[in-house]
Amino acid sequence: EDKVVQSPLSLVVHEGDTVTLNCSYEVTNFRSLLWYKQEKKAPTFLFMLTSSGIEKKSGRLSSILDKKELFSILNITATQTGDSAIYLCAVVDNNNDMRFGAGTRLTVKP
Amino acid sequence: NAGVMQNPRHLVRRRGQEARLRCSPVKGHSHVYWYRQLPEEGLKFMVYLQKENIIDESGMPKERFSAEFPKEGPSILRIQQVVRGDSAAYFCASSPSRSYYGYTFGSGTRLTVV
Repeated sequence: EDKVVQSPLSLVVHEGDTVTLNCSYEVTNFRSLLWYKQEKKAPTFLFMLTSSGIEKKSGRLSSILDKKELFSILNITATQTGDSAIYLCAVVDNNNDMRFGAGTRLTVKP
Repeated sequence: NAGVMQNPRHLVRRRGQEARLRCSPVKGHSHVYWYRQLPEEGLKFMVYLQKENIIDESGMPKERFSAEFPKEGPSILRIQQVVRGDSAAYFCASSPSRSYYGYTFGSGTRLTVV
């Protein structure tokens, strides 16, 4: 059965810390992996990854995919309180079916 | 019931027909959210319901779309007189309280209009 597992489920850090969020998957006919930040009504799209080893970067956030080991990481450097949110990982297969992980709840304390 | 159950997983409708998408939230969750995902795009908020009440429908088209979450039974997203542009994946999420955290997402219903 296809599954997407995120770890840790929750994380508490202080401003300025660097965090690494993990997403592992077992999906038939993998097509892409997406990261979202959820703090409002709708998750905000962060990254889409389709190729192994190519880092995507946006400001203090970066992400990379390993299709051999079937996982992705999301890094946030110099965290700020505004980074507090739930970070969702989702995997899309060749049928464009999308499966979400349970999310990682990140809390950044001042 | 470990998670949010959506059915059907795939739905094919001809133009002009009605589509009914069902979402059973996590047991004990009384807040349901519907989203639409277009290919290669992010999730777009449609409607937020609490048992028997629509709290926020600001993201839902005024025409042809409606949603309900009755006291008993699943939440239903209904699309009347479907058009090709309605083809998308529709996701449902639930939460135990009116909070922006702790959502659990379902596996979605993929609607194809032919």
